[in-house]
Amino acid sequence: SQELEQSPQSLIVQEGKNLTINCTSSKTLYGLYWYKQKYGEGLIFLMMLQKGGEEKSHEKITAKLDEKKQQSSLHITASQPSHAGIYLCGADIKGGTSYGKLTFGQGTILTVHP
Amino acid sequence: GAVVSQHPSRVICKSGTSVKIECRSLDFQATTMFWYRQFPKQSLMLMATSNEGSKATYEQGVEKDKFLINHASLTLSTLTVTSAHPEDSSFYICSASEPPRGGSIVLDTQYFGPGTRLTVL
Repeated sequence: SQELEQSPQSLIVQEGKNLTINCTSSKTLYGLYWYKQKYGEGLIFLMMLQKGGEEKSHEKITAKLDEKKQQSSLHITASQPSHAGIYLCGADIKGGTSYGKLTFGQGTILTVHP
Repeated sequence: GAVVSQHPSRVICKSGTSVKIECRSLDFQATTMFWYRQFPKQSLMLMATSNEGSKATYEQGVEKDKFLINHASLTLSTLTVTSAHPEDSSFYICSASEPPRGGSIVLDTQYFGPGTRLTVL
């Protein structure tokens, strides 16, 4: 099974709707990143969370980290077609000498209909 | 944010040839870079960690003699796919860590390059 599970795997919403993507780890999180990717392109850094309870926002995207639950959520408010893409969570789940290595979830494909 | 570039963006080669992919950090120095590969509609899988001035460390199952990594300077790491075969066709992405600016932050921010699409015929 995946060490980092994202849900849902795909999401189709109408423009203007809010949505949430979850990322759950089977291991302790030493840091969690959210990225956005368009198919066949590189990853765009969105946010990085380190501490339990931490919450960050950028424009209409908010990410939270629940360290106890080993889980993070990404919330988009009033979605727009420009938000469409693949959202990936990546995490350092090994810490120690594996510092900086990221394990990724399988991604969530977001489609926003105008 | 920091910029990481990759070259080439796309490459098509014949089976048995070698291909070199470059990863550069453009506005910061990166002592560590990471190489990932991504198959269609799948997530990223870490291949190896590239360390400036020392040997790369490879993840389990990744052949070090097939995927040669050289980190010659603080801004450049190269991945060479030797004797490429069709099963090596994939999307290869590198990332580099930018050290945190100010304060005592534990985690470095990792920035990714735009990726290289390798097709082996």
